[in-house]
Amino acid sequence: AQSVTQLGSHVSVSEGALVLLRCNYSSSVPPYLFWYVQYPNQGLQLLLKYTSAATLVKGINGFEAEFKKSETSFHLTKPSAHMSDAAEYFCAVSDPMDSSYKLIFGSGTRLLVRP
Amino acid sequence: ETGVTQTPRHLVMGMTNKKSLKCEQHLGHNAMYWYKQSAKKPLELMFVYNFKEQTENNSVPSRFSPECPNSSHLFLHLHTLQPEDSALYLCASSQDLGTESSYNEQFFGPGTRLTVL
Repeated sequence: AQSVTQLGSHVSVSEGALVLLRCNYSSSVPPYLFWYVQYPNQGLQLLLKYTSAATLVKGINGFEAEFKKSETSFHLTKPSAHMSDAAEYFCAVSDPMDSSYKLIFGSGTRLLVRP
Repeated sequence: ETGVTQTPRHLVMGMTNKKSLKCEQHLGHNAMYWYKQSAKKPLELMFVYNFKEQTENNSVPSRFSPECPNSSHLFLHLHTLQPEDSALYLCASSQDLGTESSYNEQFFGPGTRLTVL
């Protein structure tokens, strides 16, 4: 069964610093991968997705993620953090071999941005 | 209204009450989902509907009863809940299930914050 691991339940960066949120998946078949963001008291919003096209995926709000098959990783990065980036981020995986295309979510990483 | 809407946004109920959560999607999708989001726990998939038919019940207690009268509306009927059922309940929709073109990209509503006293 597919699973996804997000290392670090909390990540704290200074405003203007690099943001790196880690996500690793377990699958022998390259899955579809997603990053979602959740702002306080809101639902989840899709940041970006990998669907077997380009390995470097650009998303909204300046975020990007790189699919690395050899490392089974899909880490989320942003060159310069902004205060408005403070939120919870979820990595999710979908197995293309599973006809239901069910999404499996990681446990989330809360990003704190210090002034 | 656009996207996925949920009502009410906040709900406080006693353990003996009966209440319902409503979700409506304005995206023309055919699949709808209920998730439970508790503090310090991963997002838990509860139910999945595809073209109004339930395709997944993730071992959810019977005090939660879903209803999907059409592809645009999804309800979660609640009765005799427990305090541990307090959580954020999220509704989502996707184009459908099992089609590669959609990659099962899910669109979420803002959630209903449920408190059971």
